Amino acid sequence: SAVISQKPSRDICQRGTSLTIQCQVDSQVTMMFWYRQQPGQSLTLIATANQGSEATYESGFVIDKFPISRPNLTFSTLTVSNMSPEDSSIYLCSVADMNTEAFFGQGTRLTVV
Amino acid sequence: LAKTTQPISMDSYEGQEVNITCSHNNIATNDYITWYQQFPSQGPRFIIQGYKTKVTNEVASLFIPADRKSSTLSLPRVSLSDTAVYYCLVGPRGSGTYKYIFGTGTRLKVLA
Repeated sequence: SAVISQKPSRDICQRGTSLTIQCQVDSQVTMMFWYRQQPGQSLTLIATANQGSEATYESGFVIDKFPISRPNLTFSTLTVSNMSPEDSSIYLCSVADMNTEAFFGQGTRLTVV
Repeated sequence: LAKTTQPISMDSYEGQEVNITCSHNNIATNDYITWYQQFPSQGPRFIIQGYKTKVTNEVASLFIPADRKSSTLSLPRVSLSDTAVYYCLVGPRGSGTYKYIFGTGTRLKVLA
């Protein structure tokens, strides 16, 4: 199974600022995803992080707000830009490979004040 | 990707068997059924995955009828530590596409 490390685990940020979340996997993986989980809610897929190319965003999420990088097969970042209190959520990184289930990181708890 | 429907919440007592049913009427031929467990402040954790009939591991069993339009996760003899949210997901496996769409999940509360 893949071991996923997310940093930071939590942060409190001022509105209008940006936060970059890192996701590091202990092995090369084909697929990396970013999810958002608002308090008491289910997970919502933000985007698929594509290695060496632009991320693929789901409906309702745009690159200007959530820029994503994936420079190699073990690392990705998600930036939450120009934050507002509505961005307060848990952000989760997920990875998967051929013929394996998806693994999730512990998440980054973001509070915007 | 197939949409899933689960009960929002369930209560059970310690030592009982818990069965959580998931409906996925639009499941595709190459879709697998996967269940995840999520504790507060943690990411979802894989429990079990199956395609048809019955799958059992050390944690749970998964029952899938022939038409595959539903599935049942069975947790034997639950304990307080099984209190969590359980998600049923369907999606293809082996194609490199694991874009899981999460439904509401079932919030299981185990009582002493």
